[in-house]
Amino acid sequence: GAVVSQHPSRVICKSGTSVKIECRSLDFQATTMFWYRQFPKQSLMLMATSNEGSKATYEQGVEKDKFLINHASLTLSTLTVTSAHPEDSSFYICSAREGNSNQPQHFGDGTRLSIL
Amino acid sequence: GEDVEQSLFLSVREGDSSVINCTYTDSSSTYLYWYKQEPGAGLQLLTYIFSNMDMKQDQRLTVLLNKKDKHLSLRIADTQTGDSAIYFCAESALGSARQLTFGSGTQLTVLP
Repeated sequence: GAVVSQHPSRVICKSGTSVKIECRSLDFQATTMFWYRQFPKQSLMLMATSNEGSKATYEQGVEKDKFLINHASLTLSTLTVTSAHPEDSSFYICSAREGNSNQPQHFGDGTRLSIL
Repeated sequence: GEDVEQSLFLSVREGDSSVINCTYTDSSSTYLYWYKQEPGAGLQLLTYIFSNMDMKQDQRLTVLLNKKDKHLSLRIADTQTGDSAIYFCAESALGSARQLTFGSGTQLTVLP
């Protein structure tokens, strides 16, 4: 149980393109979803926290107009990187948590984004 | 703020036990987690422990928590080559979002 599906797994696109990444909880309802960014050989950096039906809470230094997050249902959250540039190239990982905050986060397999 | 620290590398021989250590600073930590990340993949939840527990065992995995010293360890018995990965320690504390604070990750290499 507790499977989180993230798509696409890899994206390569030109500078200026907007890219949408989907995160789905397959067998549970995700009250809260999280989006992380991971640089090579580093730990995960939390970008934002989103609760279903409300606006995402962004971490300090993360541009909310650059990284649009939508959590319209209890099983789907999307991250859109708008007008992506090479410095946005990274590994993006989502996680989802069921129910109250005592539950653990379950992670997707990540999306490798490469902007040329 | 909260801080979670791990050693960066650990090498063990196949069949031996691996012990990965983690220290944290937040005394209000309530849950502590171990996640495994294989190359190019997301994080897989291995196990977690509530702060009022001292030990939790699940098959080859044993988690020990010393709350006084704020020290957490993950022991993998009979380590296999498939256990080679990065292991992240994480903690969450009381708060509205219960966000996770991650350590830097320990690269476990299992030698044949």
